Formats: sequence, structure tokens, C-alpha cells
Amino acid sequence: NAGVMQNPRHLVRRRGQEARLRCSPMKGHSHVYWYRQLPEEGLKFMVYLQKENIIDESGMPKERFSAEFPKEGPSILRIQQVVRGDSAAYFCASSPNGRGDPQYFGPGTRLTVL
Amino acid sequence: GQQLNQSPQSMFIQEGEDVSMNCTSSSIFNTWLWYKQEPGEGPVLLIALYKAGELTSNGRLTAQFGITRKDSFLNISASIPSDVGIYFCAGGVGGGADGLTFGKGTHLIIQP
Repeated sequence: NAGVMQNPRHLVRRRGQEARLRCSPMKGHSHVYWYRQLPEEGLKFMVYLQKENIIDESGMPKERFSAEFPKEGPSILRIQQVVRGDSAAYFCASSPNGRGDPQYFGPGTRLTVL
Repeated sequence: GQQLNQSPQSMFIQEGEDVSMNCTSSSIFNTWLWYKQEPGEGPVLLIALYKAGELTSNGRLTAQFGITRKDSFLNISASIPSDVGIYFCAGGVGGGADGLTFGKGTHLIIQP
């Protein structure tokens, strides 16, 4: 039973470029969460999605960041016009039914902005 | 916003010793979870707690959901070298607001 998959594992972008991070949840899970982790910090919640719906985006920056979870295919976290401050590890988690179910994390994407 | 205060920030212990770490909050949480993270990897779920007062074990790990819903602790008995890592507590509110609030982590370092 494959776990949460994220790709790429490492992504390097120059300032002003776009970054696309992909997440495939565990089989049977329809709820996806994105978190950001800065060095020496805990994870910060960004957005919670169910298939084709954004449920909670209270942790998402208002500009340049967007997320989707289409009916078919992985969830995508998109960062437009990246800046150096976007450099961080981005983790995706999934749960079967939401409603407080345990969240299982992927290995993360390390984004470096030059 | 909600915050979790996790302590200690780091622990240097001898192999075989018991470990205790805790998290406190000024807000109530309906779920407490404990994760372990190793360098370059994502957090791995260790224990999930759902009821105030609940005490749950997973091998050498034991965690409790505080009766006030504002705290939780994790104990590791008879530590071994592979216990090295960063341990995070996380609190969940639920009810559609399912994003977890994480503590800043406890770095566990084991000296042989």
C-alpha cells in the first residue's frame, strides 16, 4: 500500500519563476492538506482540499499561492513569481475522511529559490 | 491564532534512559497527534489521541491527552539509537477546520 507521494523531491527556481508541487494521496484517501516547514520550525498549515473543492485555505498566503485537487490526478500547489522567502520544505498529507482522521505525510518537496 | 508550546526544545540522553516531552496550549484541541521526523523526510505518525484523559501506547511509546484538552505528553521508555530525531506534537480542532497546529519540535539526541 503506497504512502503519500510527492514530486519533485527537490526543486530549484530563480526569482520570478513558477513552482509546481505535486501530491498523490494514499490509496482510498480523498482529503489532502498542504503544510510549509521552515528550517528549525514546525509545520504550518496552508490549505485543506477535498476532490475538486477547497475546504479551508486560511493558512494560504493571499497572493501568488494557489492549490487544486482535480477529480483526476494529483493535488497541485502552485507558487507564482517565487521569491527567496518561499524557500522551504512543502509537505502534503492525506486522510481518508477528514473529520479529525489522522493525517499521513509525504516525504516533502524542498524548494530552493535562487 | 492557536499555538502549541512544546518542551524541551532538545534532549541529550544516554541510551537506555527514559524520555518525556510535552505540549501545552491556551486553546482546546479535540485531537492530539505525535509525529517523528528524520532529516530529509516527512513526519511519521506515532500516536493519535481522540478523547480527553486517553492514554495510548505504541510499543515503547506512551502518550496521553490531557483532561483539560490543552496539553499532551509523550514518553519513550528505554531509548535506543534509532529513536534519534525530532518529535512534534500536533493539535486538531476538526469540524471542517482540519488543518493541524504543530509545536516547534523536540530534538532527541542519544549518546552511546
